Amino acid sequence: GAVVSQHPSWVICKSGTSVKIECRSLDFQATTMFWYRQFPKQSLMLMATSNEGSKATYEQGVEKDKFLINHASLTLSTLTVTSAHPEDSSFYICSARAGLAGGIGTDTQYFGPGTRLTVL
Amino acid sequence: AQSVTQPDIHITVSEGASLELRCNYSYGATPYLFWYVQSPGQGLQLLLKYFSGDTLVQGIKGFEAEFKRSQSSFNLRKPSVHWSDAAEYFCAVAPYSSASKIIFGSGTRLSIRP
Repeated sequence: GAVVSQHPSWVICKSGTSVKIECRSLDFQATTMFWYRQFPKQSLMLMATSNEGSKATYEQGVEKDKFLINHASLTLSTLTVTSAHPEDSSFYICSARAGLAGGIGTDTQYFGPGTRLTVL
Repeated sequence: AQSVTQPDIHITVSEGASLELRCNYSYGATPYLFWYVQSPGQGLQLLLKYFSGDTLVQGIKGFEAEFKRSQSSFNLRKPSVHWSDAAEYFCAVAPYSSASKIIFGSGTRLSIRP
């Protein structure tokens, strides 16, 4: 159990277009999802915390109008990179919190496999 | 503010040799502490975590970590590495619970010498 998926696993887009990345908890309900980005050979940096049914909380320095986060259900959160530019190219990783009522019986966090975004 | 320091950017060890990856954290209380492994182009896999209890924590793949409060350290160890252990290793902290936001260290890349 406790599987988190991301779709797509990789995407290439042209500069100026928007890209949507999905994060799904497959076998548990996630009240909270987190979005991280990772530049090559660097660590993961938290971008935002997303709670189901409410607005996301963004970390300092992250543009909320550029990185739109929606968490409309207990199993799905989406990250939309709007008007993408080459500097947005990165590895985006989500994680999902399985609360005690989420069906797993433990309050912990599980990571997705990541989505590699390349903006030309 | 909470922070995690991994002083070693890159370590190379011979297959079969022992391994120790260093991690120091900065936080007022004892946070949740984690070690994750990431293979190239892949997501994160949790090796082990600590919050309380026995300061020597056993994880998956033969890894263990020891929490030392006096040194604010949580070093990862393995008695005998295998070529498949080559990867990036991240130490991380979460201040409130294992489900709160996680702060990652800069990572240590492990290479295995045949």
